[in-house]
Amino acid sequence: DIVMTQSPDSLAVSLGERATINCKSSHSVLSGSNNKDYLAWYQQKPGQPPTLLIYWASTRESGVPDRFSGSGSGTDFTLTISSLRTEDVAVYYCQQYYTTPQTFGQGTKVEI
Amino acid sequence: QVQLLQSGAEVKRPGASVKVSCKASGYTFTSYSMHWVRQAPGQGLEWMGVINPSGGSTAYAEKFQGRVTMTRDTATSTVYMEVRSLRSEDTAVYYCARNRGSSGWYYSDSWGQGSPVTVSS
Repeated sequence: DIVMTQSPDSLAVSLGERATINCKSSHSVLSGSNNKDYLAWYQQKPGQPPTLLIYWASTRESGVPDRFSGSGSGTDFTLTISSLRTEDVAVYYCQQYYTTPQTFGQGTKVEI
Repeated sequence: QVQLLQSGAEVKRPGASVKVSCKASGYTFTSYSMHWVRQAPGQGLEWMGVINPSGGSTAYAEKFQGRVTMTRDTATSTVYMEVRSLRSEDTAVYYCARNRGSSGWYYSDSWGQGSPVTVSS
Protein backbone atom coordinates (compact mmCIF):
# COMPACT_ATOMS: atom_id res chain seq x y z
CA ASP A 1 0.00 0.00 0.00
CA ILE A 2 1.09 3.58 -0.61
CA VAL A 3 1.63 5.34 2.70
CA MET A 4 0.70 9.02 2.84
CA THR A 5 2.38 11.07 5.55
CA GLN A 6 1.29 14.61 6.35
CA SER A 7 3.13 17.26 8.28
CA PRO A 8 2.57 18.85 10.63
CA ASP A 9 -0.17 17.01 12.54
CA SER A 10 -1.54 20.38 13.61
CA LEU A 11 -0.78 24.03 13.17
CA ALA A 12 -2.07 27.31 14.50
CA VAL A 13 -2.11 30.24 12.12
CA SER A 14 -3.20 33.83 12.66
CA LEU A 15 -6.12 35.16 10.70
CA GLY A 16 -4.95 36.45 7.35
CA GLU A 17 -1.69 34.52 7.50
CA ARG A 18 -0.54 31.64 5.31
CA ALA A 19 -1.03 28.01 6.24
CA THR A 20 1.07 25.31 4.59
CA ILE A 21 0.44 21.57 4.84
CA ASN A 22 2.78 18.97 3.42
CA CYS A 23 2.00 15.49 2.17
CA LYS A 24 4.55 12.85 1.22
CA SER A 25 3.76 9.56 -0.49
CA SER A 26 5.84 6.39 -0.13
CA HIS A 27 5.58 5.81 -3.88
CA SER A 28 5.30 8.24 -6.76
CA VAL A 29 1.70 8.96 -7.73
CA LEU A 30 2.68 10.53 -11.04
CA SER A 31 1.31 8.59 -13.98
CA GLY A 32 3.69 8.13 -16.87
CA SER A 33 0.82 7.66 -19.31
CA ASN A 34 -0.92 11.01 -18.78
CA ASN A 35 1.65 12.98 -16.74
CA LYS A 36 -0.90 13.58 -13.97
CA ASP A 37 -0.40 13.30 -10.23
CA TYR A 38 -3.16 11.20 -8.66
CA LEU A 39 -3.39 13.31 -5.50
CA ALA A 40 -6.39 15.02 -3.91
CA TRP A 41 -6.97 17.25 -0.89
CA TYR A 42 -10.08 17.29 1.29
CA GLN A 43 -11.33 19.53 4.07
CA GLN A 44 -13.34 18.13 6.96
CA LYS A 45 -15.08 20.31 9.52
CA PRO A 46 -16.29 18.85 12.83
CA GLY A 47 -19.35 16.65 12.48
CA GLN A 48 -19.36 16.92 8.69
CA PRO A 49 -18.22 14.68 5.84
CA PRO A 50 -15.09 15.64 3.93
CA THR A 51 -15.37 18.00 0.99
CA LEU A 52 -13.14 18.00 -2.07
CA LEU A 53 -10.77 20.95 -2.41
CA ILE A 54 -8.10 19.97 -4.94
CA TYR A 55 -7.57 17.11 -7.40
CA TRP A 56 -4.79 16.18 -9.83
CA ALA A 57 -2.57 17.78 -7.18
CA SER A 58 -3.31 21.35 -8.25
CA THR A 59 -6.77 21.64 -9.82
CA ARG A 60 -9.18 23.52 -7.61
CA GLU A 61 -12.68 22.05 -7.37
CA SER A 62 -15.49 24.30 -8.60
CA GLY A 63 -16.64 26.67 -5.88
CA VAL A 64 -13.48 26.37 -3.78
CA PRO A 65 -12.05 29.79 -2.90
CA ASP A 66 -8.84 30.69 -4.70
CA ARG A 67 -6.98 31.13 -1.41
CA PHE A 68 -6.65 27.33 -1.51
CA SER A 69 -3.94 26.02 -3.80
CA GLY A 70 -2.15 22.73 -4.34
CA SER A 71 1.33 22.09 -5.67
CA GLY A 72 3.96 19.39 -5.98
CA SER A 73 4.57 16.28 -8.05
CA GLY A 74 5.77 12.72 -7.71
CA THR A 75 5.99 12.10 -3.97
CA ASP A 76 5.90 15.56 -2.39
CA PHE A 77 2.86 17.79 -2.28
CA THR A 78 1.68 20.94 -0.54
CA LEU A 79 -1.67 22.50 0.26
CA THR A 80 -1.50 26.23 0.87
CA ILE A 81 -4.15 28.49 2.33
CA SER A 82 -2.91 31.91 1.37
CA SER A 83 -4.84 33.99 3.88
CA LEU A 84 -6.53 32.04 6.64
CA ARG A 85 -10.13 32.76 7.47
CA THR A 86 -12.19 31.61 10.44
CA GLU A 87 -14.19 29.22 8.27
CA ASP A 88 -10.98 27.40 7.26
CA VAL A 89 -10.62 25.85 10.72
CA ALA A 90 -10.81 22.14 9.89
CA VAL A 91 -8.82 18.97 9.40
CA TYR A 92 -7.21 18.57 5.98
CA TYR A 93 -6.43 15.22 4.34
CA CYS A 94 -4.41 14.31 1.30
CA GLN A 95 -5.36 11.20 -0.65
CA GLN A 96 -3.68 9.20 -3.38
CA TYR A 97 -5.90 7.57 -6.01
CA TYR A 98 -3.02 6.25 -8.12
CA THR A 99 -3.74 2.72 -7.04
CA THR A 100 -6.04 0.72 -4.79
CA PRO A 101 -6.29 0.67 -1.90
CA GLN A 102 -6.71 4.39 -2.04
CA THR A 103 -4.98 5.82 1.00
CA PHE A 104 -5.22 9.02 3.01
CA GLY A 105 -2.77 10.97 5.09
CA GLN A 106 -3.41 11.02 8.82
CA GLY A 107 -4.82 14.55 8.65
CA THR A 108 -3.62 18.01 9.65
CA LYS A 109 -5.67 20.08 12.04
CA VAL A 110 -5.66 23.80 11.29
CA GLU A 111 -6.59 26.19 14.08
CA ILE A 112 -6.55 29.91 14.63
CA GLN B 1 -27.54 18.75 -7.54
CA VAL B 2 -25.81 15.56 -6.46
CA GLN B 3 -27.19 14.11 -3.24
CA LEU B 4 -26.15 10.99 -1.39
CA LEU B 5 -28.56 10.09 1.39
CA GLN B 6 -27.34 7.43 3.80
CA SER B 7 -29.19 5.27 6.27
CA GLY B 8 -29.28 6.10 9.95
CA ALA B 9 -27.27 5.14 12.98
CA GLU B 10 -26.96 1.49 13.97
CA VAL B 11 -25.96 -0.27 17.18
CA LYS B 12 -24.81 -3.86 16.80
CA ARG B 13 -23.44 -6.64 18.98
CA PRO B 14 -20.00 -8.11 18.25
CA GLY B 15 -20.31 -10.87 15.67
CA ALA B 16 -23.40 -9.36 14.06
CA SER B 17 -23.71 -7.82 10.60
CA VAL B 18 -24.73 -4.38 9.44
CA LYS B 19 -25.92 -3.16 6.05
CA VAL B 20 -25.61 0.53 5.26
CA SER B 21 -27.42 2.13 2.33
CA CYS B 22 -26.65 5.16 0.19
CA LYS B 23 -29.35 6.52 -2.12
CA ALA B 24 -28.09 8.69 -4.94
CA SER B 25 -29.97 11.43 -6.77
CA GLY B 26 -29.26 14.35 -9.05
CA TYR B 27 -27.18 12.45 -11.60
CA THR B 28 -27.13 9.29 -13.70
CA PHE B 29 -26.56 6.58 -11.09
CA THR B 30 -24.88 4.07 -13.37
CA SER B 31 -22.35 6.55 -14.73
CA TYR B 32 -20.32 6.99 -11.53
CA SER B 33 -18.71 4.45 -9.26
CA MET B 34 -19.18 4.76 -5.51
CA HIS B 35 -16.50 4.50 -2.84
CA TRP B 36 -16.99 3.57 0.79
CA VAL B 37 -14.78 5.23 3.38
CA ARG B 38 -14.95 4.89 7.15
CA GLN B 39 -13.75 7.03 10.02
CA ALA B 40 -13.32 5.69 13.54
CA PRO B 41 -13.98 8.13 16.40
CA GLY B 42 -11.31 10.83 16.44
CA GLN B 43 -9.39 9.09 13.69
CA GLY B 44 -8.61 9.59 10.01
CA LEU B 45 -10.20 8.32 6.82
CA GLU B 46 -9.93 4.71 5.70
CA TRP B 47 -10.85 3.55 2.20
CA MET B 48 -12.82 0.31 2.19
CA GLY B 49 -13.63 -0.31 -1.44
CA VAL B 50 -15.55 0.78 -4.50
CA ILE B 51 -18.45 -0.46 -6.61
CA ASN B 52 -19.32 0.28 -10.21
CA PRO B 53 -23.13 0.58 -10.27
CA SER B 54 -23.24 -0.11 -13.99
CA GLY B 55 -22.08 -3.71 -13.89
CA GLY B 56 -21.77 -4.26 -10.17
CA SER B 57 -18.02 -4.89 -10.24
CA THR B 58 -16.19 -4.21 -7.00
CA ALA B 59 -12.74 -3.69 -5.59
CA TYR B 60 -12.07 -4.08 -1.89
CA ALA B 61 -9.18 -3.15 0.34
CA GLU B 62 -7.41 -6.38 1.26
CA LYS B 63 -8.15 -5.69 4.92
CA PHE B 64 -11.88 -6.07 4.26
CA GLN B 65 -11.85 -8.89 1.73
CA GLY B 66 -14.25 -11.63 2.75
CA ARG B 67 -15.96 -9.53 5.41
CA VAL B 68 -17.42 -6.70 3.35
CA THR B 69 -19.81 -6.86 0.40
CA MET B 70 -20.88 -3.93 -1.74
CA THR B 71 -23.97 -4.21 -3.90
CA ARG B 72 -26.27 -1.92 -5.82
CA ASP B 73 -29.91 -1.62 -6.87
CA THR B 74 -30.18 0.31 -10.11
CA ALA B 75 -33.97 0.52 -9.84
CA THR B 76 -33.69 2.67 -6.72
CA SER B 77 -30.26 4.23 -7.37
CA THR B 78 -29.00 2.82 -4.11
CA VAL B 79 -25.71 1.23 -3.15
CA TYR B 80 -25.29 -0.95 -0.10
CA MET B 81 -22.38 -2.03 2.01
CA GLU B 82 -22.59 -4.96 4.37
CA VAL B 83 -19.99 -5.65 7.04
CA ARG B 84 -20.10 -9.07 8.71
CA SER B 85 -18.56 -10.44 11.90
CA LEU B 86 -18.51 -7.00 13.47
CA ARG B 87 -15.98 -6.22 16.18
CA SER B 88 -15.50 -3.19 18.39
CA GLU B 89 -12.85 -1.84 16.02
CA ASP B 90 -15.55 -1.46 13.36
CA THR B 91 -17.19 1.30 15.37
CA ALA B 92 -17.02 4.22 12.96
CA VAL B 93 -18.90 6.58 10.70
CA TYR B 94 -19.28 5.01 7.27
CA TYR B 95 -19.42 7.31 4.24
CA CYS B 96 -20.36 6.68 0.65
CA ALA B 97 -18.57 9.00 -1.78
CA ARG B 98 -19.09 9.40 -5.50
CA ASN B 99 -16.14 8.67 -7.77
CA ARG B 100 -15.41 11.45 -10.23
CA GLY B 101 -15.40 9.87 -13.63
CA SER B 102 -17.08 6.97 -15.34
CA SER B 103 -14.10 4.70 -15.89
CA GLY B 104 -11.36 4.05 -13.41
CA TRP B 105 -11.11 4.85 -9.74
CA TYR B 106 -10.46 8.49 -8.97
CA TYR B 107 -11.09 11.02 -6.21
CA SER B 108 -14.47 11.54 -4.55
CA ASP B 109 -16.39 14.67 -5.47
CA SER B 110 -19.52 14.24 -3.34
CA TRP B 111 -19.99 12.55 0.02
CA GLY B 112 -22.95 11.23 1.95
CA GLN B 113 -23.70 12.56 5.40
CA GLY B 114 -22.31 9.45 7.06
CA SER B 115 -23.86 6.47 8.84
CA PRO B 116 -22.63 5.94 12.42
CA VAL B 117 -22.21 2.30 13.40
CA THR B 118 -21.51 1.36 17.00
CA VAL B 119 -20.40 -2.16 17.90
CA SER B 120 -20.81 -2.88 21.57
CA SER B 121 -21.82 -5.73 23.81
